[in-house]
Amino acid sequence: NAGVTQTPKFRVLKTGQSMTLLCAQDMNHEYMYWYRQDPGMGLRLIHYSVGEGTTAKGEVPDGYNVSRLKKQNFLLGLESAAPSQTSVYFCASSYSTGTGHTEAFFGQGTRLTVV
Amino acid sequence: GNSVTQMEGPVTLSEEAFLTINCTYTATGYPSLFWYVQYPGEGLQLLLKATKADDKGSNKGFEATYRKETTSFHLEKGSVQVSDSAVYFCALSDRRGNTPLVFGKGTRLSVIA
Repeated sequence: NAGVTQTPKFRVLKTGQSMTLLCAQDMNHEYMYWYRQDPGMGLRLIHYSVGEGTTAKGEVPDGYNVSRLKKQNFLLGLESAAPSQTSVYFCASSYSTGTGHTEAFFGQGTRLTVV
Repeated sequence: GNSVTQMEGPVTLSEEAFLTINCTYTATGYPSLFWYVQYPGEGLQLLLKATKADDKGSNKGFEATYRKETTSFHLEKGSVQVSDSAVYFCALSDRRGNTPLVFGKGTRLSVIA
């Protein structure tokens, strides 16, 4: 029962490098999210998706791109990494019952350091 | 828009003390409400939830009651343990479709023996 799996778990990038974070869920959830977590800032929504082939901007989308080509996968890309993107990134998924979302299931996080 | 406000931490308590973490929300309609917990080095996991007014969610000795009249969902536990040390997040789910979950900023709890 994998749930939500994020890869990689740790990464160090140099300023200007690019990378892609992968999130995979095996629960057939419609909704997927990418958050970043910084000390004292809580969780901030970067981008989200309400279904395969759709994406939408969250609170802090600048510097990131996403794609949801398959229902089970949600990719987060950094085209040109900056030190301000040093953070812990969490992916989550959920589904809607028609009366609201169910609980969200979270991955274990990716700790990214940009030097 | 929808929002969640929870008390700022950190909160430090002695073992067996009573815990309250306040959470209030702003939302259209009747949202579902959640408390998540994040233990050190881990992702968030659901602690409890309530989907309609006056519902009480409970789990692991924690409780929270959905109060529509005060738009609140305060988290309580009668006797905390060292193992309860974690960050707690209040969240809401709008009943409208295609809107993301909204989280509070989190409250760090430290319980000392």
